[in-house]
Amino acid sequence: DTGVSQNPRHKITKRGQNVTFRCDPISEHNRLYWYRQTLGQGPEFLTYFQNEAQLEKSRLLSDRFSAERPKGSFSTLEIQRTEQGDSAMYLCASSSRKEPDQPQHFGDGTRLSIL
Amino acid sequence: AQSVTQLGSHVSVSEGALVLLRCNYSSSVPPYLFWYVQYPNQGLQLLLKYTSAATLVKGINGFEAEFKKSETSFHLTKPSAHMSDAAEYFCAVSWGYQKVTFGTGTKLQVIP
Repeated sequence: DTGVSQNPRHKITKRGQNVTFRCDPISEHNRLYWYRQTLGQGPEFLTYFQNEAQLEKSRLLSDRFSAERPKGSFSTLEIQRTEQGDSAMYLCASSSRKEPDQPQHFGDGTRLSIL
Repeated sequence: AQSVTQLGSHVSVSEGALVLLRCNYSSSVPPYLFWYVQYPNQGLQLLLKYTSAATLVKGINGFEAEFKKSETSFHLTKPSAHMSDAAEYFCAVSWGYQKVTFGTGTKLQVIP
């Protein structure tokens, strides 16, 4: 069990640029979640996948955001035309139906800074 | 909608003193309840979870939490604080495998 892996750990970009983050869940975890955490706040749910199907999206996920999990393994989160308000920590988590009570295991996150 | 309230955004305790972090949830049916810990520039680590098996839940690092339905509370405690406990703690609720709703967090400072 190598844990949830997120890349990159830090991303600095200029406003208006596109960025893409990657999340590798724990092997064989069928559910994958994305959260956003701004300074001084708890994480807020963005979206989640069961295998390759995106089952729920938060209203926080504007049209500029898109998430994919094409083969039911790793996932990507893309933000187009970044804005200052997108600066945050983006957290990925995964869970398994085989694990009692299916707790979510979190990665260390990708910190996005918009200049 | 589910919500979680954590009383006190900052809590300071002396090393060796009791740690008490407060959490109240808003729900008509007891959901799954969690406490997570976050160290600087890291993700969240699960401390403990309540899933209706027992009202007193023991977690890692000597932490425990008691579920009180009548008070809709799930406070986190540790008998004796250690310097390494300094971190931010989040109370959270969920409906099983669905999204987790987090509180705003409590930063714990441990004074030597």
